[in-house]
Amino acid sequence: QKEVEQNSGPLSVPEGAIASLNCTYSDRGSQSFFWYRQYSGKSPELIMFIYSNGDKEDGRFTAQLNKASQYVSLLIRDSQPSDSATYLCAVQGTDKLIFGTGTRLQVFP
Amino acid sequence: KAGVTQTPRYLIKTRGQQVTLSCSPISGHRSVSWYQQTPGQGLQFLFEYFSETQRNKGNFPGRFSGRQFSNSRSEMNVSTLELGDSALYLCASSSSGEIQETQYFGPGTRLLVL
Repeated sequence: QKEVEQNSGPLSVPEGAIASLNCTYSDRGSQSFFWYRQYSGKSPELIMFIYSNGDKEDGRFTAQLNKASQYVSLLIRDSQPSDSATYLCAVQGTDKLIFGTGTRLQVFP
Repeated sequence: KAGVTQTPRYLIKTRGQQVTLSCSPISGHRSVSWYQQTPGQGLQFLFEYFSETQRNKGNFPGRFSGRQFSNSRSEMNVSTLELGDSALYLCASSSSGEIQETQYFGPGTRLLVL
């Protein structure tokens, strides 16, 4: 089992819809969770981080964490074509950041 | 503040050669981590340096090494290059590398090994 798992996609959603990106992790001791966005040919950029169970909202983005289920998700409301990118889930292990392989999101007009 | 910078941005080498990549962290950041990104494996952790000391290391062969200077700039070296070393090499910096800290990525160095 991979330490951090994401569906590779592509996840295709129409403009204006809600995109839901999911991530599961294997280490129950993980405390910090991050979502990065990576456009093609670019480096990852941080969107959000979450440490506590529940929801955390930032603009159109909402991160959801459920430590009991070892599950973290990212919701993007009112999706725009400019949101089309690969979204990387990252989980802080004991001594390093562990990344999933990413979910490719396509938002079509 | 200026972001993380990496040089060179692109590099073409042949098998058996060695290569050195450079990373300058955000001013004031003392932790630098290196990652290898390939289409199949995603982002793989190479190592992390803090105050000129390697603090953590991923599961890569000894051909991959690094160092950090007193100004927090870091270099990564790959010796005896193999075709499979072709990848995007990313460095990320954070203030102290503590578990809850955010890492900020540089633009990466794209290495092609022929």
